[in-house]
Amino acid sequence: AQKVTQAQTEISVVEKEDVTLDCVYETRDTTYYLFWYKQPPSGELVFLIRRNSFDEQNEISGRYSWNFQKSTSSFNFTITASQVVDSAVYFCALSEWGTSYDKVIFGPGTSLSVIP
Amino acid sequence: GAVVSQHPSRVICKSGTSVKIECRSLDFQATTMFWYRQFPKQSLMLMATSNEGSKATYEQGVEKDKFLINHASLTLSTLTVTSAHPEDSSFYICSARDPLAGGEGNTIYFGEGSWLTVV
Repeated sequence: AQKVTQAQTEISVVEKEDVTLDCVYETRDTTYYLFWYKQPPSGELVFLIRRNSFDEQNEISGRYSWNFQKSTSSFNFTITASQVVDSAVYFCALSEWGTSYDKVIFGPGTSLSVIP
Repeated sequence: GAVVSQHPSRVICKSGTSVKIECRSLDFQATTMFWYRQFPKQSLMLMATSNEGSKATYEQGVEKDKFLINHASLTLSTLTVTSAHPEDSSFYICSARDPLAGGEGNTIYFGEGSWLTVV
């Protein structure tokens, strides 16, 4: 069975604050991919990052950074110096080698509100 | 780049009628597409796997006779909500993977989604 947990349902921060969105996953596969997607009110999913299970290097992209730790099955997402445009629902997701990576299982999402 | 497109983006239908949502892969051929449903303030839940030229595979709890899926070509999958009821009102989104794109995982593309409102 696979499962993605995002313990934070809603987060509110003041603009320019840093915020970390937590993601914990469960899988029996040793080969898998982890994702983060952003969903603004329009509904469209915006792809942010994919991480292969064999690559534990942290990644930084502008104000975004990701911390992948297999030891704790976590793939946390940090936004530095948050902006109002970052307000959205963020989903952590998982796909496994066992399903040819096609099936993407989403976590419950974290709704982020950045207050000006 | 590769794009998956859905149509319509928004649809309102009367209770008891059927409504069809299309999912197209614009730049690649997709033998498999996936349909997700998202209720307000909830996550995306996989409904079914659409297989080109064969029957769709439904997830547990999804009524196959209510949500008809047809994948008649390598670039088009359709989801028909039959005898729609207000509780079917939801955001429906499809995905497809470009098998020829390099690597795996990030070659999964999602459509823009379709908002269905049943009145």
